[in-house]
Amino acid sequence: AQTVTQSQPEMSVQEAETVTLSCTYDTSESDYYLFWYKQPPSRQMILVIRQEAYKQQNATENRFSVNFQKAAKSFSLKISDSQLGDAAMYFCAYSLPGASGTYKYIFGTGTRLKVLA
Amino acid sequence: SAVISQKPSRDICQRGTSLTIQCQVDSQVTMMFWYRQQPGQSLTLIATANQGSEATYESGFVIDKFPISRPNLTFSTLTVSNMSPEDSSIYLCSVKTEEAFFGQGTRLTVV
Repeated sequence: AQTVTQSQPEMSVQEAETVTLSCTYDTSESDYYLFWYKQPPSRQMILVIRQEAYKQQNATENRFSVNFQKAAKSFSLKISDSQLGDAAMYFCAYSLPGASGTYKYIFGTGTRLKVLA
Repeated sequence: SAVISQKPSRDICQRGTSLTIQCQVDSQVTMMFWYRQQPGQSLTLIATANQGSEATYESGFVIDKFPISRPNLTFSTLTVSNMSPEDSSIYLCSVKTEEAFFGQGTRLTVV
């Protein structure tokens, strides 16, 4: 089965502190991409970070980094120096290449992150 | 990258009526995707809209309820027909390469 599991429905972090959001997934494919998307109250889905499964090096984007454990099928997101603007719903997802250049996406159920001032 | 403009951003509709949501992309794309996000939940794919052919619907979604148009490579519409309160959701259009790009979403409330 192709699934994405986010076991933390809600997380809180103090401003300027670090928080880690968990994500595990299940796929039998070897070629795929992993993503973290952020959805603030504006509803716009914003890409936070992406990871190619064939890359061993963990992706980093400024304050956002991932811990990608391919064998364990784990893809956690670490947010350092949390800011009030980080408060949002975070979705973990992966995509599989399909026919004709298409990609099938599987999304997790989301983790709501609250940032405390 | 792709910039997607979606409208309306929100609407409140009477049950039994229909609403058409529009999605405009700033580049030509073969496929566009429509998602539903029910309150507090993740994204569920409704259908894939191909230019020049009928949309492909996921299990649980039918064309009579969610007709889709795809008149050209930059535009698509999704209609939510004969609405009931259970259709109250956020509807998002998306285009995908290796990375998915989303419209701003339409928050639909059916009363």
